[in-house]
Amino acid sequence: KNEVEQSPQNLTAQEGEFITINCSYSVGISALHWLQQHPGGGIVSLFMLSSGKKKHGRLIATINIQEKHSSLHITASHPRDSAVYICAVKLSPIQGAQKLVFGQGTRLTINP
Amino acid sequence: KAGVTQTPRYLIKTRGQQVTLSCSPISGHRSVSWYQQTPGQGLQFLFEYFSETQRNKGNFPGRFSGRQFSNSRSEMNVSTLELGDSALYLCASSSSAGGNQPQHFGDGTRLSIL
Repeated sequence: KNEVEQSPQNLTAQEGEFITINCSYSVGISALHWLQQHPGGGIVSLFMLSSGKKKHGRLIATINIQEKHSSLHITASHPRDSAVYICAVKLSPIQGAQKLVFGQGTRLTINP
Repeated sequence: KAGVTQTPRYLIKTRGQQVTLSCSPISGHRSVSWYQQTPGQGLQFLFEYFSETQRNKGNFPGRFSGRQFSNSRSEMNVSTLELGDSALYLCASSSSAGGNQPQHFGDGTRLSIL
């Protein structure tokens, strides 16, 4: 079982729909990152969370440390939101190496 | 501020050769991390350098090595290339080590092994 699991793996929606991407992890963490990767390969860091909720424009990220779960929401989705969204966790010091562990990504397609 | 710059963008090599990839971080960032991305394994952490010292290392063979210079620029070297090393190699910089700060990614170097 992967330490970081994302769902769904693929998501297709119509423009304007509310989108939710989920990330569950099984290890102790000190931070969780949400990343966006466009077809060209470049990765953009969207959020870094250690607790609670963050909002940036139409994007909202939440994390529940007790349940080991995070969600990324997109409101009023637009075709330019089409990308792969990747959840990554930074292992807590007791886990050993201080490294990022990545989910497999969620491929989001927003149709006009 | 200029972003993270990786060179070259594309590279084709043959099995058995070695390759060096370069990463220039955002000015003022002292942490550089390297990642490998393949369709099968997704993104995997290779190593992290901070102030010229390797701070963390992923589960990759010794053929994968790196270093960081005093100006924070970093290089990654892969020796005795194998077909499975074909991947997108990404570097990311941040202001401190350990992944507790936002990571700023470069566009990557796409390495193809023939």
